[in-house]
Amino acid sequence: DVKVTQSSRYLVKRTGEKVFLECVQDMDHENMFWYRQDPGLGLRLIYFSYDVKMKEKGDIPEGYSVSREKKERFSLILESASTNQTSMYLCASWVGPFSTEAFFGQGTRLTVV
Amino acid sequence: ELKVEQNPLFLSMQEGKNYTIYCNYSTTSDRLYWYRQDPGKSLESLFVLLSNGAVKQEGRLMASLDTKARLSTLHITAAVHDLSATYFCAAGPPKGGNYQLIWGAGTKLIIKP
Repeated sequence: DVKVTQSSRYLVKRTGEKVFLECVQDMDHENMFWYRQDPGLGLRLIYFSYDVKMKEKGDIPEGYSVSREKKERFSLILESASTNQTSMYLCASWVGPFSTEAFFGQGTRLTVV
Repeated sequence: ELKVEQNPLFLSMQEGKNYTIYCNYSTTSDRLYWYRQDPGKSLESLFVLLSNGAVKQEGRLMASLDTKARLSTLHITAAVHDLSATYFCAAGPPKGGNYQLIWGAGTKLIIKP
């Protein structure tokens, strides 16, 4: 019954490393999102994609990039990880506002040391 | 610009009591979503409200939507400890905008025995 899968639950990386967070959905949704969640700040949108190879910046894209080569996979890339990118990262997938909710992955807790 | 405000942001209550969480949004959006998040976990969909006057109920939780007042409520009846969690509302998509959800800051609910 798994719908949205993130590649790692917990990740520890060193400052300056390039980090890849992967997200795969099996619902054939066009829209996929990457959020980060920090205490007291709610959900903040980093990037979203509404089609293969299409992407749009969210509220906090600095320091991040994304890739969507296939419909089911949306990758978040930290080009050079920094300690202020330590956070919970959530991927979501959504068919659109017609009838159903967005589905979330289990989250990746990233620690940059 | 679509903005979503939740209140209260923090709520501590006794078991058996009733309470309501409010979700106001700033511009026209026909759809409202409620999610639950347990500590350290991802977001789980509770309700999808798609039209004015929509009411959904699941156990001790009931959600409603008034698009004219741009207000959704999540009502908790006779609270039990298991309902302790953070509750998020989301609205969207904004009219004329891309398919994205705009999130409230979340309401942390603690229910004491």
